Amino acid sequence: GAVVSQHPSWVICKSGTSVKIECRSLDFQATTMFWYRQFPKQSLMLMATSNEGSKATYEQGVEKDKFLINHASLTLSTLTVTSAHPEDSSFYICSAMRFGLAGGQRGETQYFGPGTRLLVL
Amino acid sequence: EDKVVQSPLSLVVHEGDTVTLNCSYEVTNFRSLLWYKQEKKAPTFLFMLTSSGIEKKSGRLSSILDKKELFSILNITATQTGDSAVYLCAVQYEKLTFGTGTRLTIIP
Repeated sequence: GAVVSQHPSWVICKSGTSVKIECRSLDFQATTMFWYRQFPKQSLMLMATSNEGSKATYEQGVEKDKFLINHASLTLSTLTVTSAHPEDSSFYICSAMRFGLAGGQRGETQYFGPGTRLLVL
Repeated sequence: EDKVVQSPLSLVVHEGDTVTLNCSYEVTNFRSLLWYKQEKKAPTFLFMLTSSGIEKKSGRLSSILDKKELFSILNITATQTGDSAVYLCAVQYEKLTFGTGTRLTIIP
């Protein structure tokens, strides 16, 4: 099946520093990738849609200057949390959209990365 | 406003029981509905549903979509402790919107 990786898996940083998270589709090309964040015991919240070669589309309430997204190639999207603060501590998950067969039907399917846990001290 | 609602929010049953999880939605330009299982990390894909009335089945799990009434159900029969997880429903249109999830706990 399709594989999406994220790096790093875990990151602990001091308040005020910037953190970059990478999302890679390992065996397929993804023109569209999504970034989510998830707080404990809550559902995934879409932060932004990342399109290769163009600017990301941010959801309402997500600061684009705070969460910089770059989708420089068909297999890589990065999320940079700038000047991170403790309230940015969360579980960040990316997904990549692949068109093909899934569950016996043709369509677009989201394949998720394993997530990156960020703790800002 | 587009929305995806799952019920119940939480469910605790004994091993061997059958459970039914619900997902209703209101979106424009519906394309597909997906079910995921989330344990400790990122969700894992279960089913993608695009057509009404066609049951998807995988082992003890099955799911069906009703595009007229705008809902889907996920059934798990003969539940096992390994089925304990959060089950997420997501609807795909221009983007993907998730429901709040149903937390399922199976008691041995």
